[in-house]
Amino acid sequence: SQTIHQWPATLVQPVGSPLSLECTVEGTSNPNLYWYRQAAGRGLQLLFYSVGIGQISSEVPQNLSASRPQDRQFILSSKKLLLSDSGFYLCASNRETEAFFGQGTRLTVV
Amino acid sequence: GQNIDQPTEMTATEGAIVQINCTYQTSGFNGLFWYQQHAGEAPTFLSYNVLDGLEEKGRFSSFLSRSKGYSYLLLKELQMKDSASYLCAVRRSDFVFGPGTRLSVLP
Repeated sequence: SQTIHQWPATLVQPVGSPLSLECTVEGTSNPNLYWYRQAAGRGLQLLFYSVGIGQISSEVPQNLSASRPQDRQFILSSKKLLLSDSGFYLCASNRETEAFFGQGTRLTVV
Repeated sequence: GQNIDQPTEMTATEGAIVQINCTYQTSGFNGLFWYQQHAGEAPTFLSYNVLDGLEEKGRFSSFLSRSKGYSYLLLKELQMKDSASYLCAVRRSDFVFGPGTRLSVLP
């Protein structure tokens, strides 16, 4: 099965600072990759979706961007964080069946 | 647009049976998934339905009716450790998740 490595686990960043969250996948090739955000007590909001290197779909307009420089690497970035960017960020991967999740990054923007 | 609905919260007693419903309206459908998520952790896969009917997996069962856009997750012999959020998700080419149902199991 697939293993998703996501780091860091927690992050506290000041407003206006940049962000880079990295996700790598093991155990599969050419996966679909996802970035989700989850506010406290809420469901998963799909932020970005990628079917291949350099192919990124954005679901909602926002302060964030994503890149997929390699087949099994997915990066979530921001040039200037906002308070509203705080949340639990999850990277996920799937091939043909279920999605596998990384352990998540809890981002607090202060 | 895409719409997946679940009850926000449910409460049940240890040893009981609980049914968590999910209704969906999505453009495209390649399967209905249920995930369990404990607070502060990543979701973990529970079950998958692509055809109509019931799929049983130990204490957990999931049902799908594609014509009605409806699924449910049935949890039997509830245990305290089943207290968690349960997320319904539709796979199109991507995955769209519902808001989740927070289940509290009481002694």
